[in-house]
Amino acid sequence: DTAVSQTPKYLVTQMGNDKSIKCEQNLGHDTMYWYKQDSKKFLKIMFSYNNKELIINETVPNRFSPKSPDKAHLNLHINSLELGDSAVYFCASSQRGNYEQYFGPGTRLTVT
Amino acid sequence: SQQGEEDPQALSIQEGENATMNCSYKTSINNLQWYRQNSGRGLVHLILIRSNEREKHSGRLRVTLDTSKKSSSLLITASRAADTASYFCATDGETSGSRLTFGEGTQLTVNP
Repeated sequence: DTAVSQTPKYLVTQMGNDKSIKCEQNLGHDTMYWYKQDSKKFLKIMFSYNNKELIINETVPNRFSPKSPDKAHLNLHINSLELGDSAVYFCASSQRGNYEQYFGPGTRLTVT
Repeated sequence: SQQGEEDPQALSIQEGENATMNCSYKTSINNLQWYRQNSGRGLVHLILIRSNEREKHSGRLRVTLDTSKKSSSLLITASRAADTASYFCATDGETSGSRLTFGEGTQLTVNP
């Protein structure tokens, strides 16, 4: 009965490849987020969707494209991976009007 | 500097001692939250304090907020080895909606 799940947990790939990370939440929340946590543990928001609509789009290279097929899922596709994309990516969700966010376990992406 | 800076960056104490972590931020906020992150895991919400509140308690946690100084503190009393984790503050503002801005985190180590 995991609340926010992400797959895969670990992803090792070479520069130039395209990869996707999937996120699902079973909390009935209508807002979902993608965060990037760098090696110094700094956490920065990348995207946010509310009921499948993009509401936050930070300054992120357009190689990153989020997709929300329904309000329980938010996937992140990354094209032409670069070394600097190596990080831990977290998915999170919240209910409208409630500022508490629920985080997934993270996906550690290593680009070699 | 980033919105939401914690100090100290690292704190090492003995079990049973109290741990105090501080967070400063730059702009007006609606709410300030504290999250815990265990090694290799996602963030877990601990407590939320609204801008019109000055102090809040939850179990062994005590949070204070001083909006005139744009700062908050998290006190963990009678610490346990299981409290070892990184602690982050996160703020949301009047114009940011559900967007959270995270601080850089404090790594707390509680030695048994």
